[in-house]
Amino acid sequence: NAGVTQTPKFRVLKTGQSMTLLCAQDMNHEYMYWYRQDPGMGLRLIHYSVGEGTTAKGEVPDGYNVSRLKKQNFLLGLESAAPSQTSVYFCASSDPGGSSYNEQFFGPGTRLTVL
Amino acid sequence: GENVEQHPSTLSVQEGDSAVIKCTYSDSASNYFPWYKQELGKRPQLIIDIRSNVGEKKDQRIAVTLNKTAKHFSLHITETQPEDSAVYFCAARKAAGNKLTFGGGTRVLVKP
Repeated sequence: NAGVTQTPKFRVLKTGQSMTLLCAQDMNHEYMYWYRQDPGMGLRLIHYSVGEGTTAKGEVPDGYNVSRLKKQNFLLGLESAAPSQTSVYFCASSDPGGSSYNEQFFGPGTRLTVL
Repeated sequence: GENVEQHPSTLSVQEGDSAVIKCTYSDSASNYFPWYKQELGKRPQLIIDIRSNVGEKKDQRIAVTLNKTAKHFSLHITETQPEDSAVYFCAARKAAGNKLTFGGGTRVLVKP
């Protein structure tokens, strides 16, 4: 049981390049989330999904797109990367109907640098 | 939307002393308040949480208190140990979508 995994672990992009971050979970969780973490600012929600085929905007969605084509995967896309998107990105999942329905389980993070 | 403020931003304590971190939230509809611990280079992990119908919860050396009227909640760590050194985040959640709003974090350093 791997929990929540993220690919890649590290990435360096040039301004204007595009990329996709992949999040996968094997806990059959309904809800999935993408956060970014910047120094001194905690974790900020980018987008989230409450089920396969659904997505919604979080606190800081501009410059990002997401897709949830399969229940176990949640993809975060950057169409045209900017230096302001340099951050550590965390994916998380939760199960609203489970015994620990409130807890969000986090992936190991992806460190992205945009030059 | 919800706004969560966390204080202090850094906290240095001597091993064996207590540490207290305080958070305030703005939305009275928030009903769930978790605390996460993040060690350097690692993912955040839940250490304790409290729901709005409970005033206090304890788990060994850590405890959380909630004052709904004042809209603040606190994390208490007693008998601190070097392995308690980490960044701690509070968060608040409203029911719909299980969306968490996080505080800015507190870096705790336990000096041996």
